[in-house]
Amino acid sequence: GEDVEQSLFLSVREGDSSVINCTYTDSSSTYLYWYKQEPGAGLQLLTYIFSNMDMKQDQRLTVLLNKKDKHLSLRIADTQTGDSAIYFCAEFTGTASKLTFGTGTRLQVTL
Amino acid sequence: SQTIHQWPATLVQPVGSPLSLECTVEGTSNPNLYWYRQAAGRGLQLLFYSVGIGQISSEVPQNLSASRPQDRQFILSSKKLLLSDSGFYLCAWSDRDTFTDTQYFGPGTRLTVL
Repeated sequence: GEDVEQSLFLSVREGDSSVINCTYTDSSSTYLYWYKQEPGAGLQLLTYIFSNMDMKQDQRLTVLLNKKDKHLSLRIADTQTGDSAIYFCAEFTGTASKLTFGTGTRLQVTL
Repeated sequence: SQTIHQWPATLVQPVGSPLSLECTVEGTSNPNLYWYRQAAGRGLQLLFYSVGIGQISSEVPQNLSASRPQDRQFILSSKKLLLSDSGFYLCAWSDRDTFTDTQYFGPGTRLTVL
């Protein structure tokens, strides 16, 4: 079955690293995504990782995938106030042929 | 490059009135198209998706309908709005020719039903 879960809220101080976690249940997931949603806006694709990879780095963003535990994380280095947003993980499975989104994690960056 | 448009950006409608939200995509052809609803700034609920003109799949039974009159146009409609139809409606597209379903979202329409 498809179920993607995230914690609801994360607060970090500016300059610290943020780690947003996601767990999924479908072991046939092939691609996993991170999207960012700023207030009142649509979702912006941040990055994605193929299921045969363990890690992907893109500037301040690092994605870690533990396929055994079905755990995905997004690390944001040197978090800035502009990173405040809701972050959604999503999985794509060939069985469902569609994206399943998590519930979203609201990241609050404080000064 | 591809762009996706939605309008209107915001809409306030009385209960029982009709609804028409429009989504168009530029810079690609034969896209998969999607309508999502997001309540209270939280999770996304997939409402409809379309793999081609006139081909609509509904994910949940509801007061809404969707149509795809042209390849890159997706419309969300209702004959009579309910209070529970309030929310943030997002349109998205993906490239049918890739194995993944990487979806790209429009700016959204904020609908308030009073």
